[in-house]
Amino acid sequence: DTGVSQNPRHKITKRGQNVTFRCDPISEHNRLYWYRQTLGQGPEFLTYFQNEAQLEKSRLLSDRFSAERPKGSFSTLEIQRTEQGDSAMYLCASSLDGGAYGYTFGSGTRLTVV
Amino acid sequence: AQTVTQSQPEMSVQEAETVTLSCTYDTSENNYYLFWYKQPPSRQMILVIRQEAYKQQNATENRFSVNFQKAAKSFSLKISDSQLGDTAMYFCASLGRGAQKLVFGQGTRLTINP
Repeated sequence: DTGVSQNPRHKITKRGQNVTFRCDPISEHNRLYWYRQTLGQGPEFLTYFQNEAQLEKSRLLSDRFSAERPKGSFSTLEIQRTEQGDSAMYLCASSLDGGAYGYTFGSGTRLTVV
Repeated sequence: AQTVTQSQPEMSVQEAETVTLSCTYDTSENNYYLFWYKQPPSRQMILVIRQEAYKQQNATENRFSVNFQKAAKSFSLKISDSQLGDTAMYFCASLGRGAQKLVFGQGTRLTINP
């Protein structure tokens, strides 16, 4: 297993366009998390899945954001009608059960909205 | 709600010196875990050390150790014999069994100078 994989690494898009990011977690991990990180700040929680069920969404996740994890494997995060304020690093992480031994993070997708 | 506070935005020390990064947290839960994560420039976040709140003994991992003061809700990280490769952002994080997600502090940018 090569860890948590995120694609693309970088995405530049024009304001108003839709973007989709993909995360492939560690195969044995049943939980998958999405975080957003702006420059010089700590990651902020967006949402998490246990298997295919989305169990919690942050208030940061406006109705322009949607996440899925079909079949409990990979996950996608879609942002519709992007705004300049959406520019950030989007991090994916996975864990076994509740994450008491920590999460494994991917390298992130850096989104720039111009 | 859980909160994590790191009051040192930046720190800088000479190679081989010892450095301590501060972290305080707040939680209403009795059962929780605390973590320090390292995020090197343009690289993914990796787990440095974890502490189970119900264990009084401070966790150690080679050159990394913590000073866990449960009553004071303090969780500092000590790096001994610092190396150039320790240069990174360091994030303190908490995970409550009820909260089900990692909550991060704002981070401390640590620079190790040759």
